[in-house]
Amino acid sequence: GQQLNQSPQSMFIQEGEDVSMNCTSSSIFNTWLWYKQEPGEGPVLLIALYKAGELTSNGRLTAQFGITRKDSFLNISASIPSDVGIYFCAGQWAGGTSYGKLTFGQGTILTVHP
Amino acid sequence: NAGVTQTPKFQVLKTGQSMTLQCAQDMNHNSMYWYRQDPGMGLRLIYYSASEGTTDKGEVPNGYNVSRLNKREFSLRLESAAPSQTSVYFCASSYTVSSTDTQYFGPGTRLTVL
Repeated sequence: GQQLNQSPQSMFIQEGEDVSMNCTSSSIFNTWLWYKQEPGEGPVLLIALYKAGELTSNGRLTAQFGITRKDSFLNISASIPSDVGIYFCAGQWAGGTSYGKLTFGQGTILTVHP
Repeated sequence: NAGVTQTPKFQVLKTGQSMTLQCAQDMNHNSMYWYRQDPGMGLRLIYYSASEGTTDKGEVPNGYNVSRLNKREFSLRLESAAPSQTSVYFCASSYTVSSTDTQYFGPGTRLTVL
């Protein structure tokens, strides 16, 4: 089945630093999504990308849908302590037996030191 | 609106016991999903229901059954729990299974099987 490789697995940064994380896939997706999960909660959608090459921002967050449709990255600028959490990429393929199913990366654990 | 709610929040079972995890959404969504989350593996789809009256297997369906009780409710049943089913279970819903419809997640049920 489809697999997503997300990196890095964890990051320890100082408040104010920028953060980058990315996901690569063995196959193409129609949609790339980035979620954030805080302790004891379910994932919450941050950014959704629907077209190859698309670059979308949400406040200090910027994400891009790779041109090959097999990768995506997320940048967080000027990190703050409340950015702490686990960030997941997810891909969705709108065809065949995978219709409607999200495939998730392993997650990036972000720690921000004040 | 409560969004997606799940009960119970925590559960401890002995091997061989059965239980049902409950999920309800109040967003008038047609599609509902069950995922499990294990350390270092992201979320994996167990079963989903594209619309009321239909259910389909996801990536890891073995050992589970589901019931789409009505448009609002989608339950997950473990008939004979095994230690390998120790995990955090998330329910999600979306308007349809289209790749452009966002999936919204509940807070999760933390299950331990001894």
